Amino acid sequence: GAVVSQHPSRVICKSGTSVKIECRSLDFQATTMFWYRQFPKQSLMLMATSNEGSKATYEQGVEKDKFLINHASLTLSTLTVTSAHPEDSSFYICSARDGERGSYNEQFFGPGTRLTVL
Amino acid sequence: AQSVTQPDIHITVSEGASLELRCNYSYGATPYLFWYVQSPGQGLQLLLKYFSGDTLVQGIKGFEAEFKRSQSSFNLRKPSVHWSDAAEYFCAVTSYQAGTALIFGKGTTLSVSS
Repeated sequence: GAVVSQHPSRVICKSGTSVKIECRSLDFQATTMFWYRQFPKQSLMLMATSNEGSKATYEQGVEKDKFLINHASLTLSTLTVTSAHPEDSSFYICSARDGERGSYNEQFFGPGTRLTVL
Repeated sequence: AQSVTQPDIHITVSEGASLELRCNYSYGATPYLFWYVQSPGQGLQLLLKYFSGDTLVQGIKGFEAEFKRSQSSFNLRKPSVHWSDAAEYFCAVTSYQAGTALIFGKGTTLSVSS
């Protein structure tokens, strides 16, 4: 159990276009989902926290108008990179918290999406 | 400030030798601690976690970690390393509070020599 999927796994786009990344919890309801960004050979940096049905909370320095997050249901969150530029190229990873699993704040990670902006 | 420190950026261990990866944390609340492993281009795989109870926790792939509150540490160990263990290892901390994000260390790259 506790499987999180991401789609697409890899995307290449032209500069100026928008890209949508989906994060789905396949066998549980995710009350909270997190979006992380990872540059090559670096750690994961939290971008935003999203709770189902409410606006995402963005970390300092993350442009909310550029990285649009929608958590419309308990199993789906989307990250849209608007007007992507080469500096947005990165590995994007989502995680989800199972709201049914007691009080332990364990998160389950998706496999990641490699975004390359040309 | 809340943070996780992994002092070793890169470690090389001979196959069959023992391994210890260090992790120190600074956290204002009761910490929940995790170790993850990441192979190149892949997502994160959970090795083990500590929430409470026995301070020595066992994980997958023969890994274990010991929580030492007095030292604010959660070091990862393995008695005999295999070549397939070569990867990036991340220590992370969060709180019991639902919806709190993970704070990750910068990671330690493990290389295994034959």
